[in-house]
Amino acid sequence: NAGVMQNPRHLVRRRGQEARLRCSPMKGHSHVYWYRQLPEEGLKFMVYLQKENIIDESGMPKERFSAEFPKEGPSILRIQQVVRGDSAAYFCASLGGSDTQYFGPGTRLTVL
Amino acid sequence: GEDVEQSLFLSVREGDSSVINCTYTDSSSTYLYWYKQEPGAGLQLLTYIFSNMDMKQDQRLTVLLNKKDKHLSLRIADTQTGDSAIYFCAESMGNSGGYQKVTFGTGTKLQVIP
Repeated sequence: NAGVMQNPRHLVRRRGQEARLRCSPMKGHSHVYWYRQLPEEGLKFMVYLQKENIIDESGMPKERFSAEFPKEGPSILRIQQVVRGDSAAYFCASLGGSDTQYFGPGTRLTVL
Repeated sequence: GEDVEQSLFLSVREGDSSVINCTYTDSSSTYLYWYKQEPGAGLQLLTYIFSNMDMKQDQRLTVLLNKKDKHLSLRIADTQTGDSAIYFCAESMGNSGGYQKVTFGTGTKLQVIP
């Protein structure tokens, strides 16, 4: 039973490029969360989605960031026109019983 | 409020017990969790406790919940060097959107000295 999968594990982009981060939840899970973790800091909530629906995007920056979770395929976190401040680890988690979140290994984004 | 606070750092000797503390502000929490994060990895769920429980034990791990003081602790018995990691506590609670929202603490970095 595969856990939460994220790819790529490492992503390098130049300023102004686009970053696409993918997350496949655990089998049978239909809700995902995205978090950002800056070096030496805790997790900051970004967005909570179920298939084809954004439930809570209160943690998403208003510009350049978007997220989707289509009926088929992984959830995508998209960052347009990346800046150096976007460099961070991005984690997704899928929701199981007892409101438990199961985390993926993360994507480490480096913006040059 | 949704603040979850932890001390930043804890150092213990191998074989001793570690106690990591967490305070939270929302009295309507449903579940409280402890996660472990090793360098370069994601968060691994260690254990969780339902808010109507006082204690939960799972092998070397003991979770204590003092609901009156909104205090959660994680005790690791016989701490090993492999326990060195960052430990996050988290709480889930209902919100105006009709779903459970989870808030994470800032993390406690546990260093185990051989």
